[in-house]
Amino acid sequence: ETGVTQTPRHLVMGMTNKKSLKCEQHLGHNAMYWYKQSAKKPLELMFVYSLEERVENNSVPSRFSPECPNSSHLFLHLHTLQPEDSALYLCASSHNSPGTGGNEQFFGPGTRLTVL
Amino acid sequence: GQNIDQPTEMTATEGAIVQINCTYQTSGFNGLFWYQQHAGEAPTFLSYNVLDGLEEKGRFSSFLSRSKGYSYLLLKELQMKDSASYLCACMDSNYQLIWGAGTKLIIKP
Repeated sequence: ETGVTQTPRHLVMGMTNKKSLKCEQHLGHNAMYWYKQSAKKPLELMFVYSLEERVENNSVPSRFSPECPNSSHLFLHLHTLQPEDSALYLCASSHNSPGTGGNEQFFGPGTRLTVL
Repeated sequence: GQNIDQPTEMTATEGAIVQINCTYQTSGFNGLFWYQQHAGEAPTFLSYNVLDGLEEKGRFSSFLSRSKGYSYLLLKELQMKDSASYLCACMDSNYQLIWGAGTKLIIKP
């Protein structure tokens, strides 16, 4: 496997279900991200982990719970979601040196989530 | 507030040139990125500008004017495979990316 992988690619769940999204990066990066992408809207940053520590939580509802057990893996645990949470969830990674820019993010293919 | 503006959709002809504009207002600025996203696929990195001027990379070029809060992506010799969405994103003072909604580019034969 190379780059950034995400599983599952598609997920349909009811509002009472609990599921998890998985992301794995094989690039040796030290930062990982969860984004939400809805049609015709900008990418919404949900969570950022740098060196396995969460550094950003953009007021995301508690029904989304991230987990970063090591620098290569990132999870997004989902429970009691709402239909408006249906979207494409993208994982990304980058090599971040503190206080520097120009570190492009590499994206996984995303998980298409549908909440019924 | 922070804001990135780019056209929603553009149409161009195969073999022609197209320029996609992006204007931004962010709290601090640490560079501007362009990404390409084909339907159903992940965004892929195209370019990064932090200094004023033009960066050329094959058929694609990206321009930045920091004083005007403005960038454009120039695509030459358009090919059908260039049909995609093009995302503009600025890195703010916290080194986080602020994203535009993307420009859907339609290439016609």
